[in-house]
Amino acid sequence: KAGVTQTPRYLIKTRGQQVTLSCSPISGHRSVSWYQQTPGQGLQFLFEYFSETQRNKGNFPGRFSGRQFSNSRSEMNVSTLELGDSALYLCASSLDPGAAYNEQFFGPGTRLTVL
Amino acid sequence: GQNIDQPTEMTATEGAIVQINCTYQTSGFNGLFWYQQHAGEAPTFLSYNVLDGLEEKGRFSSFLSRSKGYSYLLLKELQMKDSASYLCAVKGGYNKLIFGAGTRLAVHP
Repeated sequence: KAGVTQTPRYLIKTRGQQVTLSCSPISGHRSVSWYQQTPGQGLQFLFEYFSETQRNKGNFPGRFSGRQFSNSRSEMNVSTLELGDSALYLCASSLDPGAAYNEQFFGPGTRLTVL
Repeated sequence: GQNIDQPTEMTATEGAIVQINCTYQTSGFNGLFWYQQHAGEAPTFLSYNVLDGLEEKGRFSSFLSRSKGYSYLLLKELQMKDSASYLCAVKGGYNKLIFGAGTRLAVHP
């Protein structure tokens, strides 16, 4: 079974630009969560999608948005990029976010650098 | 508020035992996860605790005390390949997974 895939793996953008990151979950998984990882802050939860609906949202500004398609693939978008948005963006998929035990499988991440 | 604390760094010797602690304060509790993350790689699942007590899985064990808001990950017979970051994560209210900043473990010969 193929794992979680994320594209692109690396991105370099300049301040003010926007970026779209893509995540394809493990086949059969309907939940996709997005995280931002920086050296000082660790993994910060961005949002979670299940069956094309955003179920949970972290404490990030409205410049961060996402969506999920009917095939469970998900995209996240960051508009008006700031230097502080430089981070590793991780996507994780799982079967059923409502279950107490719900292991998340992480993708390799997209390394975004904002200059 | 929601808070998960773990030591930033730890060092240990190959073959030894190391215990990585995690304390948490979250609104709601639906389980605690430990993940391992090697540099430049994705986190991988190690263990899950939802009831008090010890869960053993090979060289790795994880303990939970819900009343104390405390967990630890115990690594035995340390190997060089265990050098990695170890992330404690709590599934809180609305099943949101909240991560600690991670503990970077360096294993020396």
